[in-house]
Amino acid sequence: NAGVMQNPRHLVRRRGQEARLRCSPMKGHSHVYWYRQLPEEGLKFMVYLQKENIIDESGMPKERFSAEFPKEGPSILRIQQVVRGDSAAYFCASSPPQGRGNSPLHFGNGTRLTVT
Amino acid sequence: QQQVKQSPQSLIVQKGGISIINCAYENTAFDYFPWYQQFPGKGPALLIAIRPDVSEKKEGRFTISFNKSAKQFSLHIMDSQPGDSATYFCAAKTNTGTASKLTFGTGTRLQVTL
Repeated sequence: NAGVMQNPRHLVRRRGQEARLRCSPMKGHSHVYWYRQLPEEGLKFMVYLQKENIIDESGMPKERFSAEFPKEGPSILRIQQVVRGDSAAYFCASSPPQGRGNSPLHFGNGTRLTVT
Repeated sequence: QQQVKQSPQSLIVQKGGISIINCAYENTAFDYFPWYQQFPGKGPALLIAIRPDVSEKKEGRFTISFNKSAKQFSLHIMDSQPGDSATYFCAAKTNTGTASKLTFGTGTRLQVTL
């Protein structure tokens, strides 16, 4: 019963390169959330996706950042033309369809992006 | 305001003592309040959660106390153990469609000493 899988665990990019972070949700989960965690800080919401739909992207920077969750395959968080300030841990979480009540979010172990 | 304030930022407790972490929120639409535990190099893991229709929830050594009128909730760790040393995050969530994301506090780094 695999949990939320994120890869790579560590990613090093030079300024100006592109970073692609992948997230496979838990089996049966159709909702994916991306969060960013800066050192010594909490988790900041970035985007909430369902299959083929962006539900809430209010936490995404307006430029260089994009996310998708295709019908087949993992969710992808893409950061174009990375800058040093993008260095952070990026966490993906998934949940089943919300339905009634609240379904807990299950987090992956994150991708630690370092921009040199 | 989608904001959750958490204190203290760090906490040192002796083994066997009680660890207390506090959170306050502003958005009265929040209706689900989980606590997450995070170890270094790992993702946050759900510890315990409460809804606003109860004032307290206990699971083993972990208790959430909830004060709806004050818009505050807290995590109590009884008989704290060195293995409890981690960062703890409170969070809050509404259950209304597109607003169903979790909003996190800034975290409390707990160290339990021998």
